[in-house]
Amino acid sequence: SQELEQSPQSLIVQEGKNLTINCTSSKTLYGLYWYKQKYGEGLIFLMMLQKGGEEKSHEKITAKLDEKKQQSSLHITASQPSHAGIYLCGADTQGGSEKLVFGKGTKLTVNP
Amino acid sequence: DTGVSQNPRHKITKRGQNVTFRCDPISEHNRLYWYRQTLGQGPEFLTYFQNEAQLEKSRLLSDRFSAERPKGSFSTLEIQRTEQGDSAMYLCASSLGGVPPETQYFGPGTRLLVL
Repeated sequence: SQELEQSPQSLIVQEGKNLTINCTSSKTLYGLYWYKQKYGEGLIFLMMLQKGGEEKSHEKITAKLDEKKQQSSLHITASQPSHAGIYLCGADTQGGSEKLVFGKGTKLTVNP
Repeated sequence: DTGVSQNPRHKITKRGQNVTFRCDPISEHNRLYWYRQTLGQGPEFLTYFQNEAQLEKSRLLSDRFSAERPKGSFSTLEIQRTEQGDSAMYLCASSLGGVPPETQYFGPGTRLLVL
């Protein structure tokens, strides 16, 4: 079974709309990373969350970590076509491990 | 650009052939990682190095796979006797290391197609 479940699997929004992507772990989260991937390319680091209740923002993207629920959310405000891509959450579920496990990703399409 | 670089970006090979990929990490990073990503899936961890020492290998890394980082700088990943199931994107990442582990920064990947 998948250690990290992302929802939704895909999302189509109109430009300007807000959206949220969720990442739920079946194990304790010791560190949670959000990356963005364009099709056929590498992963671009967005944000890292390590403490329960932590919230970080960069430009129009906000990520939160709920340690008790073993869950993280990524929220995009006023989406733009440049936000389109695949959003992946990755996590250290062993505690101090160098090995990251990833969800399957959420494909975001933003229609102009 | 001083990010992680990978070569080649694309590789097409016939089943049974050997292939080798190269990864150049960010210069001051002592940790280097290899992941494999198949279509519609997230990356899966293969192995990682701290300097020249290979510290962890996934069970996904069969005997046909070997990775090296001889001088603690660039790394190579070799696949011997390739199979069609090896077709995937091979991603390399690097980090500063530390406790807790620092962020892993990824390269553009090498896409392998085995015919």
